[in-house]
Amino acid sequence: AQTVTQSQPEMSVQEAETVTLSCTYDTSESDYYLFWYKQPPSRQMILVIRQEAYKQQNATENRFSVNFQKAAKSFSLKISDSQLGDAAMYFCAYRSGGGHWGAQKLVFGQGTRLTINP
Amino acid sequence: DSGVTQTPKHLITATGQRVTLRCSPRSGDLSVYWYQQSLDQGLQFLIHYYNGEERAKGNILERFSAQQFPDLHSELNLSSLELGDSALYFCASSVGPETEAFFGQGTRLTVV
Repeated sequence: AQTVTQSQPEMSVQEAETVTLSCTYDTSESDYYLFWYKQPPSRQMILVIRQEAYKQQNATENRFSVNFQKAAKSFSLKISDSQLGDAAMYFCAYRSGGGHWGAQKLVFGQGTRLTINP
Repeated sequence: DSGVTQTPKHLITATGQRVTLRCSPRSGDLSVYWYQQSLDQGLQFLIHYYNGEERAKGNILERFSAQQFPDLHSELNLSSLELGDSALYFCASSVGPETEAFFGQGTRLTVV
């Protein structure tokens, strides 16, 4: 079974600075997807960024980028120019790329609570 | 707003009771997923429905059941509730099994 580990329960950063959240995963599959979700106090799970395992290029979405190291099974999220609105729980998630129905679920890490200091 | 609607937003009930959580997926989405978020277990997949048919089960207790109706809305039924069932229950929907899933705002269930 696949597992996702986030080793940093909490992180904090000064506003306008850069922060990196860590995520490692364990899988024997070669076809899969990785995601970062943001959960603000409103509880809504918001997709931040997505990475397909077959793509070598790291995904970027505005101030959010990932460092995907497939061999090391590492998938970190970098937030540049941190803003107060970035404060939230961040979850790393894995999804199999296989075609069978059981592959479509998301497997989540434990989350990292990010605090932005003004 | 993700377009996925969950009702109710909050629910408080007593041990031993039964509740029904409702999810309306985004228009056109055929897949509905249910997840449970609790302090001790984190976010866990419960069950997946596609176009009315159950397609995958995760760590869903036998006291829990779900269904997806012809209009594609889904209900999660929780019975013989225990204190440990207190959690945030999310519904997510997607067009199909390999497309992006969008989450609702969740139902906060408190069992007292």
